[in-house]
Amino acid sequence: EAGVAQSPRYKIIEKRQSVAFWCNPISGHATLYWYQQILGQGPKLLIQFQNNGVVDDSQLPKDRFSAERLKGVDSTLKIQPAKLEDSAVYLCASSLMAFRRSGMSIARETQYFGPGTRLLVL
Amino acid sequence: AQKVTQAQTEISVVEKEDVTLDCVYETRDTTYYLFWYKQPPSGELVFLIRRNSFDEQNEISGRYSWNFQKSTSSFNFTITASQVVDSAVYFCALKAYNTDKLIFGTGTRLQVFP
Repeated sequence: EAGVAQSPRYKIIEKRQSVAFWCNPISGHATLYWYQQILGQGPKLLIQFQNNGVVDDSQLPKDRFSAERLKGVDSTLKIQPAKLEDSAVYLCASSLMAFRRSGMSIARETQYFGPGTRLLVL
Repeated sequence: AQKVTQAQTEISVVEKEDVTLDCVYETRDTTYYLFWYKQPPSGELVFLIRRNSFDEQNEISGRYSWNFQKSTSSFNFTITASQVVDSAVYFCALKAYNTDKLIFGTGTRLQVFP
């Protein structure tokens, strides 16, 4: 079974430029996550999709970051304009969607991660 | 609030030594999941184990073992007879049952020297 795919693996840009990252989750995984991992820290959730709907984007800096998952499969994360502090590894993860309970869908417990995109903003 | 603490920033051992990575968590939830992930230099987070809060049995998988102690809110990870390929950053993470958000610790960098 193929894992989570991400591209590009590395990107170097200057501040105020734009950049976009792409993620293709594991086949059949309805839930997709974007994480930001700053050097020396653990990953921090930016946004979570379930199919093509946003479940949680409370920690996404919406003035400069945007993400979409139009067809409920692959996803793009964009930064426009980039700042120096955006230098980080951007990780995509996916998980199965589990049963519905009380009208809510709950993602399966285990998230599987891609190799990440290492962004350097100069 | 939920929090995961990995107090050990970096550990260095010589091959074949046993090493334990500590993880202490805080949560008010009664149902939750704990995870360990390995992040080798390639950058990908590799899933190692998931444990739910109702299952306090220790688990062993080859050279890896996990000790979950609810009384001390700890979920420690031991590598027996370490190998150079075990060199990586290891993350402990916590997730409440009714959410999907993983709360990660800051990670422990393990270096195994030949």
